[in-house]
Amino acid sequence: DVKVTQSSRYLVKRTGEKVFLECVQDMDHENMFWYRQDPGLGLRLIYFSYDVKMKEKGDIPEGYSVSREKKERFSLILESASTNQTSMYLCASIQGGLGGANVLTFGAGSRLTVL
Amino acid sequence: AQKVTQAQTEISVVEKEDVTLDCVYETRDTTYYLFWYKQPPSGELVFLIRRNSFDEQNEISGRYSWNFQKSTSSFNFTITASQVVDSAVYFCALSESNNNDMRFGAGTRLTVKP
Repeated sequence: DVKVTQSSRYLVKRTGEKVFLECVQDMDHENMFWYRQDPGLGLRLIYFSYDVKMKEKGDIPEGYSVSREKKERFSLILESASTNQTSMYLCASIQGGLGGANVLTFGAGSRLTVL
Repeated sequence: AQKVTQAQTEISVVEKEDVTLDCVYETRDTTYYLFWYKQPPSGELVFLIRRNSFDEQNEISGRYSWNFQKSTSSFNFTITASQVVDSAVYFCALSESNNNDMRFGAGTRLTVKP
């Protein structure tokens, strides 16, 4: 069964802390994504990566960075966490691009609370 | 720019009731794809269905059915005889063939009470 695994389901951090959210996929997908999910706003794309060491900004990249050193792993980094980054973070991967018929495979999400 | 609207924020029904989740989209592309995903309490979005813009045939899968109408730019999802296990957040999404992007609606939280 294909999988996207997010290492942390729940995290509680303090303002100013550096936060790492890890995501691993076992499907050999080229493209990986980080979304943020907030009530009433749906899913908003933070960053995506179409290859190792490659990254592109999504709709809301401010306050975030990413790292993709290996094809299967895509990390989201909050350099200095703030309370407005309290949210659910979803990692996803896809074979091929977002446009067209391709289906995203999602991880279970990481719920981050910043105090 | 592409856009997806799910006007229903939350819906609550009693088990065995039928329920329809609305999805309205906007796109300038003639070739596009519509999706529904389900997010149960466990958190992982699960793919339910995909439709391309050239296929307006409605689809039925067990208790689930989808009504795609290009004339009203809608792709509505109906659950017949709802069950408690249908409780989840449901997302409608749109991707265009000429654009490397996928847009999600805000989601509809469905609660099915026993």
